[in-house]
Amino acid sequence: NAGVTQTPKFQVLKTGQSMTLQCAQDMNHEYMSWYRQDPGMGLRLIHYSVGAGITDQGEVPNGYNVSRSTTEDFPLRLLSAAPSQTSVYFCASSHGAGRTEAFFGQGTRLTVV
Amino acid sequence: RKEVEQDPGPFNVPEGATVAFNCTYSNSASQSFFWYRQDCRKEPKLLMSVYSSGNEDGRFTAQLNRASQYISLLIRDSKLSDSATYLCVVFWGGDGQNFVFGPGTRLSVLP
Repeated sequence: NAGVTQTPKFQVLKTGQSMTLQCAQDMNHEYMSWYRQDPGMGLRLIHYSVGAGITDQGEVPNGYNVSRSTTEDFPLRLLSAAPSQTSVYFCASSHGAGRTEAFFGQGTRLTVV
Repeated sequence: RKEVEQDPGPFNVPEGATVAFNCTYSNSASQSFFWYRQDCRKEPKLLMSVYSSGNEDGRFTAQLNRASQYISLLIRDSKLSDSATYLCVVFWGGDGQNFVFGPGTRLSVLP
């Protein structure tokens, strides 16, 4: 019963490096999204997708790219890491265009030095 | 900016206490409402959905007032295991549809 699988759990990057955070779900959910969580702030939406081939920007999209080639996978790419991107990242999926429960991955703790 | 606001916390209460969390949201067109629980360094998990008629799950009671754009969560007979951060979550429909999270209220239940 995998649910939402997010990798890696921890990552340290140097400023300017790029990387991809992986997210996969096995529940056939249409809606997937990426959030970042910073101390004292709620989860903020980075990008989301309502189905394969469809993506859109959230509240804080700058510096991140996404793609949705399959229903299952929704990777998040950091193009050129900056210290301001140090955060905890969560991937989530839900059924029915987001109107029902969202299931979260375990999170990725990213530090950019 | 679309916003969800919560009591700032933290709440420190003794075991057995009743504690209430409040939440307000700015978008009157919001469609779905939830309370999530997040343990330290873990992912958020659904505690309960919130319905206009109010709903109860054991020691937990959630209320929604659409006219006032207000959501509440009541925890009765607090347990040590209830210690966590409680997130108020609202789903906006329409353009830019997505979940919007409040900043959370941290609860510590003390022995």
